[in-house]
Amino acid sequence: DQQVKQNSPSLSVQEGRISILNCDYTNSMFDYFLWYKKYPAEGPTFLISISSIKDKNEDGRFTVFLNKSAKHLSLHIVPSQPGDSAVYFCAASARSGGSNYKLTFGKGTLLTVNP
Amino acid sequence: GAGVSQTPSNKVTEKGKYVELRCDPISGHTALYWYRQSLGQGPEFLIYFQGTGAADDSGLPNDRFFAVRPEGSVSTLKIQRTERGDSAVYLCASSPSGRIDEQYFGPGTRLTVT
Repeated sequence: DQQVKQNSPSLSVQEGRISILNCDYTNSMFDYFLWYKKYPAEGPTFLISISSIKDKNEDGRFTVFLNKSAKHLSLHIVPSQPGDSAVYFCAASARSGGSNYKLTFGKGTLLTVNP
Repeated sequence: GAGVSQTPSNKVTEKGKYVELRCDPISGHTALYWYRQSLGQGPEFLIYFQGTGAADDSGLPNDRFFAVRPEGSVSTLKIQRTERGDSAVYLCASSPSGRIDEQYFGPGTRLTVT
């Protein structure tokens, strides 16, 4: 049972345009959400996070939006750059439930930014 | 400074054999995690160490899997009687305090069981 779902295996966008990656979750205990970026043959690297008490968090070109009622979050990258091409993982944690170290990941979305 | 390192980077073994996968965390990081990433899937939590002790091993799939961290630094994931279904990338991460947004991942060990 996938508790964190990334339904788009891949996404292709033009350089300079917006990339929108989506993520849905089913576990209502999740209260902290993270996005990781992964290049081939490397481990995932932390990108941005959001707590469930917020609905938006921004860091430079990256913005994460959280819709708690819909159990949905999205990562926006503006403007997209070729170096952003990677697999993006959505992850969630139930911090207030005591498992504040345990991440549950989605399957990932491969983003390709074309020059 | 040096990141999380994992050895070997690739391991091919025959079904039924025993393997050990090593993780060297970032110096000073007290928390260490193992994840497994099967083909087409996201990383899946296996075990979490705080210091030398396993604080949560609920993700280990069965008793063929065991992990140790005897001195609170290097960790070894041990798999007995390997099966083809164990083939995956095994990722290690460390963090200074157990904070989830401070988990730094290593490049992983790709295990192939033939």
